Amino acid sequence: DTAVSQTPKYLVTQMGNDKSIKCEQNLGHDTMYWYKQDSKKFLKIMFSYNNKELIINETVPNRFSPKSPDKAHLNLHINSLELGDSAVYFCASSPGQGAAGNTIYFGEGSWLTVV
Amino acid sequence: AQTVTQSQPEMSVQEAETVTLSCTYDTSESNYYLFWYKQPPSRQMILVIRQEAYKQQNATENRFSVNFQKAAKSFSLKISDSQLGDTAMYFCAFMKHNSNYQLIWGAGTKLIIKP
Repeated sequence: DTAVSQTPKYLVTQMGNDKSIKCEQNLGHDTMYWYKQDSKKFLKIMFSYNNKELIINETVPNRFSPKSPDKAHLNLHINSLELGDSAVYFCASSPGQGAAGNTIYFGEGSWLTVV
Repeated sequence: AQTVTQSQPEMSVQEAETVTLSCTYDTSESNYYLFWYKQPPSRQMILVIRQEAYKQQNATENRFSVNFQKAAKSFSLKISDSQLGDTAMYFCAFMKHNSNYQLIWGAGTKLIIKP
């Protein structure tokens, strides 16, 4: 009954491959995010969706494409993987409304290693 | 632009002791939110505590409390009766009101609780 769940948790793949990371939240939140945490542990937001609509699209390569089929799901697809894409990718969600609407809850992270 | 500074890269204390992690931030905004997140070795990102800038009362969550000094732009985290499970990276984060939920992160403090 994990609140924000993402799969797979670990992924090792070769350069040039295409891979997807799936995310689902059962909190009823309106807003979902993808963050990237690099080897220096710095967290950077990549994308944010509110009710399936893209609201934040930071400067990331267009090899990264988010897809939100409904407000409970936000998947991340990565084309032509590069060594520099190796990182931990966090999915997150927030209520989007109410007194604590901006509190962000994270999934467990997906460790991507590109070899 | 907002910045968040955590001046202690690493700290260690004995189990059951009290420890305080410092965080300062720079902003010209008057309405914002502050967060502490914890990232244990499993790398899951866990919300510890949240503070609204308009509230003078310091937030508390069980053994975790903050000392929020708005004029000094300081937001320290106090952990009482520290436990081995508190060993983690601790990140301080800032969110401006009406910013599409963008979090500005500090570099983190590695906290080690020794038995």
